[in-house]
Amino acid sequence: DTGVSQDPRHKITKRGQNVTFRCDPISEHNRLYWYRQTLGQGPEFLTYFQNEAQLEKSRLLSDRFSAERPKGSFSTLEIQRTEQGDSAMYLCASSSSWTSGRGETQYFGPGTRLLVL
Amino acid sequence: EDKVVQSPLSLVVHEGDTVTLNCSYEVTNFRSLLWYKQEKKAPTFLFMLTSSGIEKKSGRLSSILDKKELFSILNITATQTGDSAVYLCAVEAGYGGSQGNLIFGKGTKLSVKP
Repeated sequence: DTGVSQDPRHKITKRGQNVTFRCDPISEHNRLYWYRQTLGQGPEFLTYFQNEAQLEKSRLLSDRFSAERPKGSFSTLEIQRTEQGDSAMYLCASSSSWTSGRGETQYFGPGTRLLVL
Repeated sequence: EDKVVQSPLSLVVHEGDTVTLNCSYEVTNFRSLLWYKQEKKAPTFLFMLTSSGIEKKSGRLSSILDKKELFSILNITATQTGDSAVYLCAVEAGYGGSQGNLIFGKGTKLSVKP
C-alpha cells in the first residue's frame, strides 16, 4: 500500500492522559501536515513539516500539543493532559514540493479518531 | 482573515439529477483550489485548480475556477447513490516557495436518493 497511513485508527482515553499518534506519509513526499476535524466542520490546519523541519504551527496548536518528524519520514503528534475538547479526528496528509509551479496536492490518511472521556 | 465558504451546506437529490456545488473564497496569496470527497473516512482528492476558466473533468464530475470572482463550482451529472458524501472545498494560500496551508470550507453534504 503506497498511501498515507495512520496509527491507531481509534483511541479512547481518559481526561488528563497523554496520547501519541503516528503518521507514515507517501514515501517520496517531503511535506507532511496534521489537521484536526470535528463533526460537521472541515479539517483545520495544525502544523506542517518539510522534511524534518517543523515550519509552521497554527494558533490552534496549544502547548499541550507537540509534533515531531525526526528523520523526515514518519511523524508523531502527542497531546499531553488531554481534555474533552480534544476529541476529534486527527488527519495526516502528505505532499511533494518537488514539482515546479504553484499548488501541490495533499493526500490524506484515514485519520485517528480520538475520544476523551 | 482567510475564509472559504461553501453552499449549499446540504442538498438532497434523486438519482440522475445534475448538481452544482459552490465554493467562494477570500484568501491572501492564493495558490490553488482543491476539491475533496469525504465519506465516512478521510477526504479523497478530486481536483486541483490553479488557472481561471480551465475546466477539469473526471467522468461525471467537473470543476472550474474563476479567480476574478473568487469562486469555483463542482458539477456532478447523472448522480448516483454512490455520490452521496460531503464535498469539501479547500484553498491553498502561501508565499513563493513556502508551504501552503489548506483552508477548508465546512463542506456540502450531498444525499442522492434512489
